[in-house]
Amino acid sequence: GENVEQHPSTLSVQEGDSAVIKCTYSDSASNYFPWYKQELGKGPQLIIDIRSNVGEKKDQRIAVTLNKTAKHFSLHITETQPEDSAVYFCAASIPSGGSYIPTFGRGTSLIVHP
Amino acid sequence: EPEVTQTPSHQVTQMGQEVILRCVPISNHLYFYWYRQILGQKVEFLVSFYNNEISEKSEIFDDQFSVERPDGSNFTLKIRSTKLEDSAMYFCASSEAGHDTEAFFGQGTRLTVV
Repeated sequence: GENVEQHPSTLSVQEGDSAVIKCTYSDSASNYFPWYKQELGKGPQLIIDIRSNVGEKKDQRIAVTLNKTAKHFSLHITETQPEDSAVYFCAASIPSGGSYIPTFGRGTSLIVHP
Repeated sequence: EPEVTQTPSHQVTQMGQEVILRCVPISNHLYFYWYRQILGQKVEFLVSFYNNEISEKSEIFDDQFSVERPDGSNFTLKIRSTKLEDSAMYFCASSEAGHDTEAFFGQGTRLTVV
């Protein structure tokens, strides 16, 4: 099955700095890569996603890059703010019929210091 | 904004007892999912459900688990004869379509087996 590795497990930055979280996946059949933000006591919320036919996608301060050849994808957050502090999960999804089955990374706890 | 709702938010049960976790997916969504997250660990896929049947399930989803959509609005996860290691946060999610579309997560039910 799919295996997703995520690094780092903890990331501490100063407000205004950039944060980068990296993930690798093992199954070349994966073709959908969502990123989730999980705040304390809440469920994961999708913040950005990328599909395997796109190399990069940006949404304001958040960007995601995908390298299919190397099987890795990254989340970039610029101009970090204290409210960006949360656990971030990457996932790689394999299509299965009409559904998809995401495999999550272990998560990165991002701490943004004011 | 439509959201996935889960009840109860916290359930404590004796080992060996049966529990039912309830979810109300977003009304026009067709695909439904259950995930679990053991404290401090990554989110794990349990099962996906479409057209009144299971479309995919993971190795975790063994015979002690079952899912049901009893009335067209609720989506339930039943755990028979709970074990200590079933203690986790259980998330329900739904999506409008299946493959590579956004899944919306509920806030989770924390299950504690004592």
